[in-house]
Amino acid sequence: DGGITQSPKYLFRKEGQNVTLSCEQNLNHDAMYWYRQDPGQGLRLIYYSQIVNDFQKGDIAEGYSVSREKKESFPLTVTSAQKNPTAFYLCASSMVGLWGEQFFGPGTRLTVL
Amino acid sequence: KNEVEQSPQNLTAQEGEFITINCSYSVGISALHWLQQHPGGGIVSLFMLSSGKKKHGRLIATINIQEKHSSLHITASHPRDSAVYICAALGETSGSRLTFGEGTQLTVNP
Repeated sequence: DGGITQSPKYLFRKEGQNVTLSCEQNLNHDAMYWYRQDPGQGLRLIYYSQIVNDFQKGDIAEGYSVSREKKESFPLTVTSAQKNPTAFYLCASSMVGLWGEQFFGPGTRLTVL
Repeated sequence: KNEVEQSPQNLTAQEGEFITINCSYSVGISALHWLQQHPGGGIVSLFMLSSGKKKHGRLIATINIQEKHSSLHITASHPRDSAVYICAALGETSGSRLTFGEGTQLTVNP
């Protein structure tokens, strides 16, 4: 089945630790995105990538890093520099272009203790 | 002021009622998405439209480009429709980046 997978679904980390969230897609999409969702707020874009080995900062990139070494994979690292890392993180992918409908993964809920 | 605003923020309905969720945007767009987020967090794309009206089952989405307004209608609502509904605008100059509304929490009671 084609789709986007994120793992794990729930993640707990101690304050000060870096943590990497996985996102994999087999839809052959060129573009991939990472969003953060906080209660009562809309999704906010962290990073996005439209092609392998290239990515751009979104609206809230501070404290996060990404890599795009393969078309299928776009892992997000939440670093210790991120002041409020506890949130729900969603990955999405799309074809590049104005009509690229985005498809979302199931999300990872990160709790930093 | 957000570029994409939804109303209402919360909506409670009885099973069978006709439901309307509104979305207004202040930017020029090339398309507008309606998304559904279930309690578990997963998001499903319902519609992507740039003009007129689209229908899928009991769901209808309309858009008025001149008025910068879109609506999502649910006919004969059912408790399984309970979810957060999100509109997201694909800006004319933003490439494939979306700007999201804050979402409307819909609860349909039996």
